[in-house]
Amino acid sequence: DAKTTQPPSMDCAEGRAANLPCNHSTISGNEYVYWYRQIHSQGPQYIIHGLKNNETNEMASLIITEDRKSSTLILPHATLRDTAVYYCIVRPYNQAGTALIFGKGTTLSVSS
Amino acid sequence: ETGVTQSPTHLIKTRGQQVTLRCSSQSGHNTVSWYQQALGQGPQFIFQYYREEENGRGNFPPRFSGLQFPNYSSELNVNALELDDSALYLCASSLGGLAGGTDTQYFGPGTRLTVL
Repeated sequence: DAKTTQPPSMDCAEGRAANLPCNHSTISGNEYVYWYRQIHSQGPQYIIHGLKNNETNEMASLIITEDRKSSTLILPHATLRDTAVYYCIVRPYNQAGTALIFGKGTTLSVSS
Repeated sequence: ETGVTQSPTHLIKTRGQQVTLRCSSQSGHNTVSWYQQALGQGPQFIFQYYREEENGRGNFPPRFSGLQFPNYSSELNVNALELDDSALYLCASSLGGLAGGTDTQYFGPGTRLTVL
């Protein structure tokens, strides 16, 4: 079972920031937080990952709380192309055959 | 740099048949993972191959099998197809290694399999 909890759906106006929350209260010290998104019927797209520090790349920012029990993915200026299912995944490192365990994710709808 | 590619894009089979799906990993990646995604669900892990050896397996029956070749491309074979095998099959490649690490998995576009 997935170790994360996400709201099933969220709406965002085009041009505004989209803040997607994720709860991972049972996260272990050796587990990273990964975010992927999946646009309808395409393969999942990697967005960002982090351990305990906040991370930023060209796609998004990842904010992880100090106790690491939750995180927020921020898309700073959402566009219609950001409409997708967003998956938050915790994944251990240093473990052979490590799989990504997907939950149901959050369906983000961006409208004009 | 070439991304992960999969073939075919779509496939229709009948119950009881066998199917082979193919995946070419991203340049420089030596690990391939396969996932099954039923309609309306998140992807589920089938198995992973690292340097031609199975390196982890999810809760799938033995009729789901795989291969990885010296060039790190991979095949997923499914025997005795059932109606519930209808799904999007995803391949992901990564730098991998037996240590797991924090290697990021990059996905291909998937193969849509329909079993009638």
